[in-house]
Amino acid sequence: SQQGEEDPQALSIQEGENATMNCSYKTSINNLQWYRQNSGRGLVHLILIRSNEREKHSGRLRVTLDTSKKSSSLLITASRAADTASYFCATDEGTGGFKTIFGAGTRLFVKA
Amino acid sequence: DTAVSQTPKYLVTQMGNDKSIKCEQNLGHDTMYWYKQDSKKFLKIMFSYNNKELIINETVPNRFSPKSPDKAHLNLHINSLELGDSAVYFCASSLRGGLETQYFGPGTRLLVL
Repeated sequence: SQQGEEDPQALSIQEGENATMNCSYKTSINNLQWYRQNSGRGLVHLILIRSNEREKHSGRLRVTLDTSKKSSSLLITASRAADTASYFCATDEGTGGFKTIFGAGTRLFVKA
Repeated sequence: DTAVSQTPKYLVTQMGNDKSIKCEQNLGHDTMYWYKQDSKKFLKIMFSYNNKELIINETVPNRFSPKSPDKAHLNLHINSLELGDSAVYFCASSLRGGLETQYFGPGTRLLVL
């Protein structure tokens, strides 16, 4: 079953604008991670937020986690053309962590 | 140095053939994974190994057989390839299970004709 569901499926913005992507999940989790995938490449880890954290920052990235709503959001501020990629959330389904479930991803296109 | 490497990068083969994909990580991680990404970019876990031991097998057909000769390697052998096996296969590793960051290989693009 698909654990993480990203929203929107696709997003097109102008360079300099902020991009917000949302992720919802179904079961309890130990942590939630966001990954980026450039076209034709493997996934690259962006940020990990644990279930007892509510917000985390890394450079231009801001991730929030609301365990009561089983949702997370990824905000990319001051977007650049190089941010064009697919973004996936991933959860561990509250298991020992060996089963990571990825959502379908949000395809972000940043126009220069 | 490449952290997680996969070979081959591209694989084109006929239905019914048997093929293998190799994965190696030089990060000293305990856990390795195989994922399948379909044409809609949906990424699904197939297997996870911890210290050479199979931990997760996500209802993958028996035609898929992973083998971990040591902690640094996790290979995937596929028998009797079918059209539906066409996808991108990613290997990944993490220090200890999915609670930690996973590092992905570049992927193997498999096309079954």
